[in-house]
Amino acid sequence: GQNIDQPTEMTATEGAIVQINCTYQTSGFNGLFWYQQHAGEAPTFLSYNVLDGLEEKGRFSSFLSRSKGYSYLLLKELQMKDSASYLCAVMDSNYQLIWGAGTKLIIKP
Amino acid sequence: SAVISQKPSRDICQRGTSLTIQCQVDSQVTMMFWYRQQPGQSLTLIATANQGSEATYESGFVIDKFPISRPNLTFSTLTVSNMSPEDSSIYLCSVGTGETEAFFGQGTRLTVV
Repeated sequence: GQNIDQPTEMTATEGAIVQINCTYQTSGFNGLFWYQQHAGEAPTFLSYNVLDGLEEKGRFSSFLSRSKGYSYLLLKELQMKDSASYLCAVMDSNYQLIWGAGTKLIIKP
Repeated sequence: SAVISQKPSRDICQRGTSLTIQCQVDSQVTMMFWYRQQPGQSLTLIATANQGSEATYESGFVIDKFPISRPNLTFSTLTVSNMSPEDSSIYLCSVGTGETEAFFGQGTRLTVV
C-alpha cells in the first residue's frame, strides 16, 4: 500500500529553526509537495521537489532524497504566524496526490 | 496559478437532506478533485472529476452518496446526499494536472445535525 509518515505534532520557539520530516512509500513518484494549512482554511502550496537536493525559498527550505523515500521541510526564523499544520504529499505514478496526516506545528514565544 | 471560488463556505444541515457544493475555476482545467478533511485529519480524496465523463470514485465513496457534475472545464459540483452527522467535515475542491501544484478552493465546512 501507499504510506506517508510525518510527526503528529511539534513545538518550537519563536525565532528558532524547526525541521519537519516526511517519509513515504508510494506506487511511483512524480514529486513531493509541502503545504501549509492554518486552522479552518484550505491548504496553500509551499514547495515542490522532484529531484534530490535542497530547494530554498525564503525562510522555508525543502529537501528530498528519493533513494531514502525521505523529505524534510525546514523553517527558519520562526514567527508566530507559522503556527499551522504542514502537510506532506507525494504524487504517485498516476499523478494522484497521496497525503500525509499533517504535522501540527506550535510556536511558543 | 489558478483561483478557485468554492461555495458555500459553511452550512448547517438537517440529517436526511442534501447539500450541493460548487467550485468555479478562473481557467480551464482538465481534472478537478474533491476531498474530504475530517477534524484533525489529512485530506481524503473522494473522486476525480473529468469534463465529459463520469467521475472516478475512490474506495469507500459511491456516486449515489456523492454525485458529481462536471459540465465544463471551469466548473464542478459535489452533492452530499442523505446526510448524516458522520458527513460533518470540510469538503475541498482542487485542480492540478501532471506536475503542477494543487490549488484549493476555500473549503466548505459542513455540519449535519
